[in-house]
Amino acid sequence: NAGVTQTPKFRVLKTGQSMTLLCAQDMNHEYMYWYRQDPGMGLRLIHYSVGEGTTAKGEVPDGYNVSRLKKQNFLLGLESAAPSQTSVYFCASSYFAGGALGSYNEQFFGPGTRLTVL
Amino acid sequence: AQSVTQLDSHVSVSEGTPVLLRCNYSSSYSPSLFWYVQHPNKGLQLLLKYTSAATLVKGINGFEAEFKKSETSFHLTKPSAHMSDAAEYFCVVSDHRTGKLIFGQGTTLQVKP
Repeated sequence: NAGVTQTPKFRVLKTGQSMTLLCAQDMNHEYMYWYRQDPGMGLRLIHYSVGEGTTAKGEVPDGYNVSRLKKQNFLLGLESAAPSQTSVYFCASSYFAGGALGSYNEQFFGPGTRLTVL
Repeated sequence: AQSVTQLDSHVSVSEGTPVLLRCNYSSSYSPSLFWYVQHPNKGLQLLLKYTSAATLVKGINGFEAEFKKSETSFHLTKPSAHMSDAAEYFCVVSDHRTGKLIFGQGTTLQVKP
């Protein structure tokens, strides 16, 4: 049981390049999330998904796109990377716990992807 | 809207002394509250969670937190710090309406020998 895994662990991009970050979970969770972590700002939600084939915007969605074609995978795409997207990206997943999106929502986190955009 | 404020960005203690990391929350509903820990260059690990059961919550590695509704606080404590406790700690509230997690800015715990 690997939990939540992220690929790649590190990446350096030039401004304008594109890339896709892959998140996979083997816990059969319905919900999946992408966050970015910047110094002094905690984690901020980029996009999330409440099930296969669904996605929704979070707090800071601009410049990112996501897809959830399979329940176990959640992809985060950067179409044209900018230096402001230099960050550590975390994926998380959780199970459905009742209510609109779950009144109880313990999330399980991946190890992170450190992205630098030059 | 729900929010969480961690009152200290940095806390330094000596090994073997008590730890107190402070967190205040704002919520229109009975909140679900969490403390997560992040060791350097690692992902986040759940320390403990409060979901309207007992107000004193025990977590892993000897940590515990007390939910105080009158003070809107959820402070994290440990009786005796260990060197391995040095990490970043996040207080988190779950938005009951959307299920999203709202993170505090984090508190860096330094443990001196």
